[in-house]
This record gives sequence, structure tokens and C-alpha cells, in this order.
Amino acid sequence: AQSVTQPDIHITVSEGASLELRCNYSYGATPYLFWYVQSPGQGLQLLLKYFSGDTLVQGIKGFEAEFKRSQSSFNLRKPSVHWSDAAEYFCAVGVGEYGNKLVFGAGTILRVKS
Amino acid sequence: ETGVTQSPTHLIKTRGQQVTLRCSSQSGHNTVSWYQQALGQGPQFIFQYYREEENGRGNFPPRFSGLQFPNYSSELNVNALELDDSALYLCASSLIAGINNEQFFGPGTRLTVL
Repeated sequence: AQSVTQPDIHITVSEGASLELRCNYSYGATPYLFWYVQSPGQGLQLLLKYFSGDTLVQGIKGFEAEFKRSQSSFNLRKPSVHWSDAAEYFCAVGVGEYGNKLVFGAGTILRVKS
Repeated sequence: ETGVTQSPTHLIKTRGQQVTLRCSSQSGHNTVSWYQQALGQGPQFIFQYYREEENGRGNFPPRFSGLQFPNYSSELNVNALELDDSALYLCASSLIAGINNEQFFGPGTRLTVL
């Protein structure tokens, strides 16, 4: 069965520091992979997606993610975190035709300290 | 371009009652997916509708049902509410065809079952 694991429930980083959020997936076929961000009281916003091609994907708000097939990972990174990045981040794998049904991880809550 | 909207924002029901949640798709989208997000968890796929037909279902009992209308808006109905149905219900719309199948999420409906 398809699954997504986000090993870190909470992460705290200092403003200006670098960030890496971990994501591992289990899926038999070529995965469609996504990172979403959810701020309190709001829906999910897509940060970036990987379908094929270049394994380093650039997204919005300065985020990037790298797909590593050998490690079944799709970690999210940002070189310098801003206080406004504090939110909950979800990794997801798209299953079914065109990857349009999403299986989400449990999320990682990011806290940013000044 | 209008984004995905959901109504109501919040809802309180008692165990055993029935509830209907509504979603308006983003303009031009013909696919709607519903997700349940329990507190502290990632969203879980309930089902998807494409051109008014169910197009996949997650691991939810039959008392969770849905409809999609000709204008591609959608309803989620839950019968015989249970305490565990308390959650944020998210609706997402997308174009099912093609590889660029980003799902756009609404802000959600917070359902509390007492």
C-alpha cells in the first residue's frame, strides 16, 4: 500500500538558519510527489511538485526539494528560514491515474525562533 | 479567477445526525476530491468525483457519500455522525486530464460532533 512518512513531528529553527524537512514514501510505480504548507485556519497550499525529469525541484517561497529514488525520499529544503515560514508542512504522493489522489504524511510543524 | 470555496466554515452536530458540506470548484476544473483531516494528522482521501461520477474512494464507510453537480460543485454527506467524524473536511479541485494535475484546496469546513 502507498504511504508517506514524515519522521519529524516538530522542528524548531532559528530565523535565517537553513531548513530540511524529511519525507519518505512507499509506492510501487514512479511517484508523483508533492509538498504542501498549511497555515492555521487555512487550506493547503502547494509549494512544489515532482512528476519526472530533474530530481531537484524549485518551488514557491524559496523552497526546493530533491527526489532520491534510491532512498525513496523527497526532502524539502530552504537555505534561510523566515518567521513567516512557521506552519505545518505535508508531504504527499499522488496515486491513481495521473497521481490525482493524494496520500499525505502526518505533517511536520515548523516553529521559527527569532 | 475564483478559488475553491467551502461552506459552512464551522458546524456543530450531535452524534447520529446527518450533515452536508458544500464545495465550489475553481473555475474550469471538472474534478473534486474530498479529504478528512483529523486533529494532528494529515488529510485522508475520502473520494473523488469526475464529471459527476465517483472516480475512486478511500477507506471510508458508505455513510460518507457525495455528489457532483453539472456546474462541478460538490457535496459531501455524512450520515449517522460519530464522535470520530470530528475533523476538518477539505475539498480540492483539479483538472484530471494531463500530467499537470495540481489540486487546489479550499479552506475547509470544521465539523464538531458532540
